[in-house]
Amino acid sequence: QKEVEQNSGPLSVPEGAIASLNCTYSDRGSQSFFWYRQYSGKSPELIMSIYSNGDKEDGRFTAQLNKASQYVSLLIRDSQPSDSATYLCAVRNAGGTSYGKLTFGQGTILTVHP
Amino acid sequence: EPEVTQTPSHQVTQMGQEVILRCVPISNHLYFYWYRQILGQKVEFLVSFYNNEISEKSEIFDDQFSVERPDGSNFTLKIRSTKLEDSAMYFCASSEASSGNTIYFGEGSWLTVV
Repeated sequence: QKEVEQNSGPLSVPEGAIASLNCTYSDRGSQSFFWYRQYSGKSPELIMSIYSNGDKEDGRFTAQLNKASQYVSLLIRDSQPSDSATYLCAVRNAGGTSYGKLTFGQGTILTVHP
Repeated sequence: EPEVTQTPSHQVTQMGQEVILRCVPISNHLYFYWYRQILGQKVEFLVSFYNNEISEKSEIFDDQFSVERPDGSNFTLKIRSTKLEDSAMYFCASSEASSGNTIYFGEGSWLTVV
């Protein structure tokens, strides 16, 4: 069973702080890693994708991947109240009989308070 | 920006009735997916579709479910005889390829079975 685990939170940070979201995955064959943001009742919205070890930065967001530790994280700098949402970690294993489906974690609820 | 569109946004149906959820994937995408999210739970993969056939399906996707691409633009999910436990948000998604490409989600169709 391929699992993706996240701390469900809630994670509460003050406005302007750094929010750190973590995710571990069980399948070593995983090749692509995504962070989606989901507001209540809405669809997942892609925030970041990362495919190789190291850091990837996009604006206030930094994704970090460590395949040896099977660990991926998302840092949100200068957190804003509008960042309050559920953050979903998703892992993709393409190749073989897999056609690129995503396996999601349960999501971490982030609350940024003014 | 191209997007995945879904209809209906919300449907209420009686147990045992057939339901068809419709999706228009992004036009140059080749891989199509259905995911579902039961209220308060993880986003779960149902099925992927490529080259006019199912490429992968989950244990959830039993004989009650079917998918079809009836023309060059639509992608449908049919539930033959709905059960109470089918109540969920159903997300259609698409991607250009099976690996190394982002999966884009539609806004979802909220199905309530009564």
